[in-house]
Amino acid sequence: GESVGLHLPTLSVQEGDNSIINCAYSNSASDYFIWYKQESGKGPQFIIDIRSNMDKRQGQRVTVLLNKTVKHLSLQIAATQPGDSAVYFCAENPRSNDYKLSFGAGTTVTVRA
Amino acid sequence: GAGVSQSPSNKVTEKGKDVELRCDPISGHTALYWYRQSLGQGLEFLIYFQGNSAPDKSGLPSDRFSAERTGGSVSTLTIQRTQQEDSAVYLCASSLAGTGGSVQYFGPGTRLTVT
Repeated sequence: GESVGLHLPTLSVQEGDNSIINCAYSNSASDYFIWYKQESGKGPQFIIDIRSNMDKRQGQRVTVLLNKTVKHLSLQIAATQPGDSAVYFCAENPRSNDYKLSFGAGTTVTVRA
Repeated sequence: GAGVSQSPSNKVTEKGKDVELRCDPISGHTALYWYRQSLGQGLEFLIYFQGNSAPDKSGLPSDRFSAERTGGSVSTLTIQRTQQEDSAVYLCASSLAGTGGSVQYFGPGTRLTVT
């Protein structure tokens, strides 16, 4: 399953399929990006981050891709599992060496059994 | 190891009352942040503490909101004369350093309901 365009608030994916969550960021000067996962009733949980000097970074079952030309970030989840159902947020550091993160509105991922 | 903890987990208060929300950051983390998350929305930055430096309060929505961080560790967010629009989840985060590229780790949040 894939969220297309700039941003879709929901994504439904079949268990076992790959998920792609997209995020468009606003500031071309941003040099650090993070993906968070938030389950119902819990705080955001760090998934993976990437700096602007990289195009791709891989973690366990997750890959983040960064396209600075079009200011686009994506999170790919391999072999999606029911435990992956959550809201996913991308966040950017709008200014280099700044602590402030600017969060997107989030994408709700629902995994179908 | 222990993560960021917050208390209470839920708070229901009447309009006009004051509330205090507490955050215990991860031990050794010098930076502490407060965010607000309204229903179905992203996170809104409120305030930031780094070591002994003056806090960045630029995200506080009004002068009814204030925060303290004692001894470089525990922080309290105070909302005076609460209003219904203050109802939200208040999230605290901490990071090892207060610069870009330092991962912020979040607590479970305090759900505030103003009736």
